[in-house]
Amino acid sequence: AQSVTQLGSHVSVSEGALVLLRCNYSSSVPPYLFWYVQYPNQGLQLLLKYTSAATLVKGINDFEAEFKKSETSFHLTKPSAHMSDAAEYFCAVRGAAGNKLTFGGGTRVLVKP
Amino acid sequence: EAQVTQNPRYLITVTGKKLTVTCSQNMNHEYMSWYRQDPGLGLRQIYYSMNVEVTDKGDVPEGYKVSRKEKRNFPLILESPSPNQTSLYFCASSLSSGTGAYGYTFGSGTRLTVV
Repeated sequence: AQSVTQLGSHVSVSEGALVLLRCNYSSSVPPYLFWYVQYPNQGLQLLLKYTSAATLVKGINDFEAEFKKSETSFHLTKPSAHMSDAAEYFCAVRGAAGNKLTFGGGTRVLVKP
Repeated sequence: EAQVTQNPRYLITVTGKKLTVTCSQNMNHEYMSWYRQDPGLGLRQIYYSMNVEVTDKGDVPEGYKVSRKEKRNFPLILESPSPNQTSLYFCASSLSSGTGAYGYTFGSGTRLTVV
């Protein structure tokens, strides 16, 4: 079985500060990992994904994530937060041979001026 | 434009009155799925479909039905809605080739309130 844990249901950052959202996964097979963002009253939008090509993955809006197998982690970072980054972020894992996408509980990001 | 379309966006209904939420995708995706999103619980899978006429239960299937008669459509049916089914529902689709490398494309969501 696969699962995802996101540490911290809420994160508050100042505009211009580093954004760090933590994600740890468990999977019995080499995983495919994803980060999605959900803006208020909208659906989920793919930020980036890890599919074993490179451990450091770059996504949209200057977000990036690093896959660390030894730590079973896939943390999301952005060097400088913008007000427009205020949203909820979901980490998700999908098994190599399966099709189910399993989500973490989500982290809501608040950006302070 | 490649997209997943859900209707309606908002729905208020009464307990026990059957309803259907429609979902359609224009990307020729084999795999489709329904999720519900509740505060603090993230997204939980209700049902999924690997292809036409192939459906299976997800993590929280009780009280829901689905069908997949055409590749593009995957409606969610609540035969007798109850207040605990008040939630935000998302339909999603993806390519399916036996690997997990593809992400999902999500619809905009349906906010359902059952009173």
